[in-house]
Amino acid sequence: AQKVTQAQTEISVVEKEDVTLDCVYETRDTTYYLFWYKQPPSGELVFLIRRNSFDEQNEISGRYSWNFQKSTSSFNFTITASQVVDSAVYFCALSEDQTGANNLFFGTGTRLTVIP
Amino acid sequence: EPEVTQTPSHQVTQMGQEVILRCVPISNHLYFYWYRQILGQKVEFLVSFYNNEISEKSEIFDDQFSVERPDGSNFTLKIRSTKLEDSAMYFCATRYRERAGANVLTFGAGSRLTVL
Repeated sequence: AQKVTQAQTEISVVEKEDVTLDCVYETRDTTYYLFWYKQPPSGELVFLIRRNSFDEQNEISGRYSWNFQKSTSSFNFTITASQVVDSAVYFCALSEDQTGANNLFFGTGTRLTVIP
Repeated sequence: EPEVTQTPSHQVTQMGQEVILRCVPISNHLYFYWYRQILGQKVEFLVSFYNNEISEKSEIFDDQFSVERPDGSNFTLKIRSTKLEDSAMYFCATRYRERAGANVLTFGAGSRLTVL
């Protein structure tokens, strides 16, 4: 069965610190997709990144970077030089392909608070 | 940037009343979803909808729930007789036609339902 674990419930950092949000997943499929979504205080879900299971290359987008390691079933998200606007709940999610699943399985989220 | 529009943003209702939540998807998107997030918890899949019929639903989506797209534009979620535990944020999401597992969903801002 699919499962996404975000062990960190809440993290607080001081502005300009780096922070890493952990995500560990479980799936029996060989083809799957991993996502990160951001939920700011306003409540909407904002797509950040999608990764497929065949692409383990790490990705950097500005201050955001993602480390995908199939060997440990992890897809961690790092924010460099954090800013107050990064304060939000961040969700990791998994979607499987072989089963034809149409839906995303979300983790429980990590609430990040960036203190000015 | 195209967006998914949800109404109402917040609805308060009495237990046992019927509620209809509405979603206007992005115009060229073909797949529609409802997700639910109970306060402080993870986002959970309810139902997916394609070609005017349900393609997948979760255990949460029982007989009290229904979805339809009556006029080819609005995508609605109806809760026939609300219960206290239906209090949650309901997210509509849509995607363009692509491989099922690659789901880059665009989420609406959510409709918060409070059942008293």
